[in-house]
Amino acid sequence: KAGVTQTPRYLIKTRGQQVTLSCSPISGHRSVSWYQQTPGQGLQFLFEYFSETQRNKGNFPGRFSGRQFSNSRSEMNVSTLELGDSALYLCASSRTGTGGQETQYFGPGTRLLVL
Amino acid sequence: AQSVTQLGSHVSVSEGALVLLRCNYSSSVPPYLFWYVQYPNQGLQLLLKYTSAATLVKGINGFEAEFKKSETSFHLTKPSAHMSDAAEYFCAVQVDRAAGNKLTFGGGTRVLVKP
Repeated sequence: KAGVTQTPRYLIKTRGQQVTLSCSPISGHRSVSWYQQTPGQGLQFLFEYFSETQRNKGNFPGRFSGRQFSNSRSEMNVSTLELGDSALYLCASSRTGTGGQETQYFGPGTRLLVL
Repeated sequence: AQSVTQLGSHVSVSEGALVLLRCNYSSSVPPYLFWYVQYPNQGLQLLLKYTSAATLVKGINGFEAEFKKSETSFHLTKPSAHMSDAAEYFCAVQVDRAAGNKLTFGGGTRVLVKP
C-alpha cells in the first residue's frame, strides 16, 4: 500500500511569490492535516480537511490556505511568501479523522526555501 | 489549552545503553499521547500511542512508554540503544476529540548514539 506522497519535495521561491503544495493521502483515507516545521517554532498545526471541508485551523495568517478534492487529495497554498515561510511542510492522513484512536501517517514533506 | 514539554533538546547515549526521553503534558481532560520519530530528510513515523487502554505502551523498534497520570508524563524508553536510533523524537498530544486530528507537538529531542 502506497504511503502519503507529497509533491514537490523541494521548492525555491522568492519573497512575494505564491506557492502550492500537494498531498496525496493513503488510499481510503479521508482526513488530511498539514503541519509546518521550522527550527525556531517546531512543528505547528496548519489545518485539517475531511471530506472536502476544513474542520480545524491553526494559528496562521490568512496567507495560508488549503483545500481538499473529492478524491481526498489536498493542496495548500501560501500567497505573498515571506522569508519566515521557509520550512518543511508535512502532511498527514488518517482514515476517518475521528482523532485520537486513529493513527496519522505522515508524508516525507516538502521543503520550501524562500529567498 | 493542551501543551507538551520535552526535557532536553539533545540527548547523547552510548550504544547498548538505556535511552530515556522525557515528555510532560498539560491537559484538563484525559489526552491521547503519541511518540513520533523523524530521521534526516524524512517525515514523521509513529513509534507508539496511548489511548487510555494499558498505561504501558509498547511500540516499534523496541521502544515503550508509560503513561503516568499523577505525574502528567509519558516518557519514552528503550533498554539498549542502537546506532540506528539516532534521530529526532517528538512527543505529541491530542485532546479535543471533536476537533479531529490536531496534534500539539513538543519541541523534539535529538538523540545521538555513540559507538
